Amino acid sequence: GAGVSQSPSNKVTEKGKDVELRCDPISGHTALYWYRQSLGQGLEFLIYFQGNSAPDKSGLPSDRFSAERTGGSVSTLTIQRTQQEDSAVYLCASTYPPTGADYEQYFGPGTRLTVT
Amino acid sequence: AQSVTQPDIHITVSEGASLELRCNYSYGATPYLFWYVQSPGQGLQLLLKYFSGDTLVQGIKGFEAEFKRSQSSFNLRKPSVHWSDAAEYFCAVGLLSYNTDKLIFGTGTRLQVFP
Repeated sequence: GAGVSQSPSNKVTEKGKDVELRCDPISGHTALYWYRQSLGQGLEFLIYFQGNSAPDKSGLPSDRFSAERTGGSVSTLTIQRTQQEDSAVYLCASTYPPTGADYEQYFGPGTRLTVT
Repeated sequence: AQSVTQPDIHITVSEGASLELRCNYSYGATPYLFWYVQSPGQGLQLLLKYFSGDTLVQGIKGFEAEFKRSQSSFNLRKPSVHWSDAAEYFCAVGLLSYNTDKLIFGTGTRLQVFP
């Protein structure tokens, strides 16, 4: 079946502009995650959704970052007033409710964000 | 705090040689441990995972990993490397509780394979 999809695959924006990144999880997956991959920081957790609520948003680096999830499916990560240090690959992952040995996060291909 | 250390940033091996990628973790309880692989321009693919039980786990593409509690390690191994194994490899600890569910990743090891 279809995997996690993300759009756009690449985004170039000017410093100070707002951007929206989209994630479509695997159908039926109730848990959704955002991570960021950058040269300086490696792979970092940003936020975790269970359904439409976000029990853990501790990884969001500043209040310029926000995310929402609607209908228990699609999620949007919004970065306001982008800065050059926001340049990174933003990865989305999803899974059905974790149950021990069946647990696995399935990752999308990522959105490469470049802030000029 | 929970953390994952991958001491080797870059490893180069010849095709057909054996491989061991190191991973050490810091976590108070029995960890959920993962190895992911990322090929250039691709997303992350799960190679294998450990939750409990047998400390030697088998994964895809001929990889295996051994959980050693006494050493807080989860090293990845492959007896004979293929050129297609060239990629970046990430070790991760899964933190699952009533109010969180996330992976903490190491910094990655880039594997280069020479013919």
